[in-house]
Amino acid sequence: DIQMTQSPSTLSASVGDRVTITCRASQSISSWLAWYQQKPGKAPKLLIYKTSSLESGVPSRFSGGGSGTEFTLIINSLQPDDFATYYCQQYSSYSFTFGPGTKVDIK
Amino acid sequence: EVQLLESGGGLVQPGGSLRLSCAVSGLTFSTYAMGWVRQAPGKGLEWVSGISGSGDNTYYADSVKGRFTISRDNFKNTLYLQMNSLRAEDTAIYYCAKGRRTAPRDAFDIWGQGTMVTVSS
Repeated sequence: DIQMTQSPSTLSASVGDRVTITCRASQSISSWLAWYQQKPGKAPKLLIYKTSSLESGVPSRFSGGGSGTEFTLIINSLQPDDFATYYCQQYSSYSFTFGPGTKVDIK
Repeated sequence: EVQLLESGGGLVQPGGSLRLSCAVSGLTFSTYAMGWVRQAPGKGLEWVSGISGSGDNTYYADSVKGRFTISRDNFKNTLYLQMNSLRAEDTAIYYCAKGRRTAPRDAFDIWGQGTMVTVSS
């Protein structure tokens, strides 16, 4: 199975900051990567699919990039609603493994 | 509006069985791959199982292979997860999720609210 890692595991930031989260795959997954946001007590929400495509309704301050084994999620000008945990997920091959998550909290 | 509504969670003893259901509305159910994802208390997301739109192809995480069975009834617009030989480490919120397009492999764009499964004596 493909293993996914994320860094950092926790990130403290302020409103207005630019935030970057990195996700790495243990082997190439081409561009088959998604990013999800999860808030406490809620189901995950799809933000980005196929590495860089923004899901409908997701603010444009979210962007994704990368290919192969290294990927990034960037949040430009962090907003109060963005404090949450973010997960990457590969869907290049079953099992569709998730990264361990990155919690973005208030500095 | 697309909606996914899970049911069937609860408390079960180790070694017991449980069947989860996910009722789907608002779309042509049979054209989308579906999956189950779980989250143990205070932990991250773990993909559990997936199934093609037709139901002909099923996939499992190593942690549940041989114990869990995913299925779907495209006439009833319902996804199922039969869980046998349950262990304490299966304790989690179980989410059903819809594939974003009709392709066999895609991100999950719609999620249910989740159903809690607790395995304990």
